[in-house]
Amino acid sequence: AQRVTQPEKLLSVFKGAPVELKCNYSYSGSPELFWYVQYSRQRLQLLLRHISRESIKGFTADLNKGETSFHLKKPFAQEEDSAMYYCALSSKATSGSRLTFGEGTQLTVNP
Amino acid sequence: GAGVSQSPRYKVAKRGQDVALRCDPISGHVSLFWYQQALGQGPEFLTYFQNEAQLDKSGLPSDRFFAERPEGSVSTLKIQRTQQEDSAVYLCASSLHPVRVNEQFFGPGTRLTVL
Repeated sequence: AQRVTQPEKLLSVFKGAPVELKCNYSYSGSPELFWYVQYSRQRLQLLLRHISRESIKGFTADLNKGETSFHLKKPFAQEEDSAMYYCALSSKATSGSRLTFGEGTQLTVNP
Repeated sequence: GAGVSQSPRYKVAKRGQDVALRCDPISGHVSLFWYQQALGQGPEFLTYFQNEAQLDKSGLPSDRFFAERPEGSVSTLKIQRTQQEDSAVYLCASSLHPVRVNEQFFGPGTRLTVL
C-alpha cells in the first residue's frame, strides 16, 4: 500500500524567511512524487514533480529514496506563497497512475 | 484553452436523495479520475476511466456510488440515497496519456452538503 505523510497541518513563516514543507512516503516500488498547490479560491494545480528537477516559483524538492522523503523548500518565502500544499505519489504500476495525496500543509507567509 | 469543468459547483441534498455530479475533462484527455476530499483532508481516489472503460473503482466507498463515462468524454458521478458522511468536495481530474505518469489537471470541484 502506498502512503504519503505531511506531518505539519499548519506552517507559518515571515516574508523572506526560508520555508520547508515536509513530505514522507511509503511505497515499495518506484514512485513519482509531486507537489500540488491550491491558492485561495483556485483549483488544485501542479507545482512541481521530482522527475523534472526544476525550480518553480523558487521552490525545489529533492527525492531522497533513503529517507523516503520529498520535502519542498524555498529559501525566501513571499506573501503570495500562502496556500495549501499537497504532496502526492503516483506509480505506473497503479491503475492509470492515480495519485495518493497527503493531508496537506497550510502555509501562511506573514508580512 | 478550457480546463476541466465541473457542475454544479455546490449541491445541497437532503439525506436519502440521489445526486449526480458532472465532469467535463480537457478535450482529448484519455484518463479521467474522481477524488473525494473531506474537510481538512487530502483528496482520496474514487475511480478511474481510460476512455469509456472504468478500469478501477476500488476507491468507491459503497455501492451507493456509481460513475460512468459512456462516450469517453463527459463523466457523471452518481450517489444514491445520500448520507451525511458523503458531504465532501468531489474533484474530477484528467490527464493525457494512460500509461505514462502525466500531470493531472483538476476541476474546481463540486461541494456536496448532505443535510
